[in-house]
Amino acid sequence: AQSVSQHNHHVILSEAASLELGCNYSYGGTVNLFWYVQYPGQHLQLLLKYFSGDPLVKGIKGFEAEFIKSKFSFNLRKPSVQWSDTAEYFCAVNAVSAGNKLTFGGGTRVLVKP
Amino acid sequence: DAMVIQNPRYQVTQFGKPVTLSCSQTLNHNVMYWYQQKSSQAPKLLFHYYDKDFNNEADTPDNFQSRRPNTSFCFLDIRSPGLGDAAMYLCATSTRTGVETQYFGPGTRLLVL
Repeated sequence: AQSVSQHNHHVILSEAASLELGCNYSYGGTVNLFWYVQYPGQHLQLLLKYFSGDPLVKGIKGFEAEFIKSKFSFNLRKPSVQWSDTAEYFCAVNAVSAGNKLTFGGGTRVLVKP
Repeated sequence: DAMVIQNPRYQVTQFGKPVTLSCSQTLNHNVMYWYQQKSSQAPKLLFHYYDKDFNNEADTPDNFQSRRPNTSFCFLDIRSPGLGDAAMYLCATSTRTGVETQYFGPGTRLLVL
């Protein structure tokens, strides 16, 4: 079945460490890719998105993601995390082949230790 | 500030007792979505409205219904809640389907006793 996979369910790291969260999808054809973040007690917010053009996308709060079409991946990165980056991160894919609906990965809970 | 508002934030209901969750938006978006998110799982789309056109997902149980009386409001009705329906229910909006960013409300956490 077509899906969106996030490799890590939980990540624990210290402040100033680098973060990379994996996301792979299995849809063919045209896709639009998103990373959403959910801080504790808050609603889902858009971090960044890719529709076309430069495959390296920069988002808010120092996050970036790289679309690698050949690998069906859209990994999220941040060079140096802060305690305030503690949150749950969701990758989401909108695919024309899937009826243009947004399909979420299972999420990755990130805990940044001060 | 323009936003997506969900009320109530927490809802407790009894097994089999109908319950309605509400969502309103000040963004004037055409599309409103309802998602179900169970603990430690991804949000799962239940249905969406594009203006007044209702689009149900194939695997959404018949127990779940929705109404959109106007652009600003959308309701999720659960006719006979079961224990398995306990979850966070998220409302989202977008200007149109497909490529557009979705804006999410804070969610309503439903507890079924």
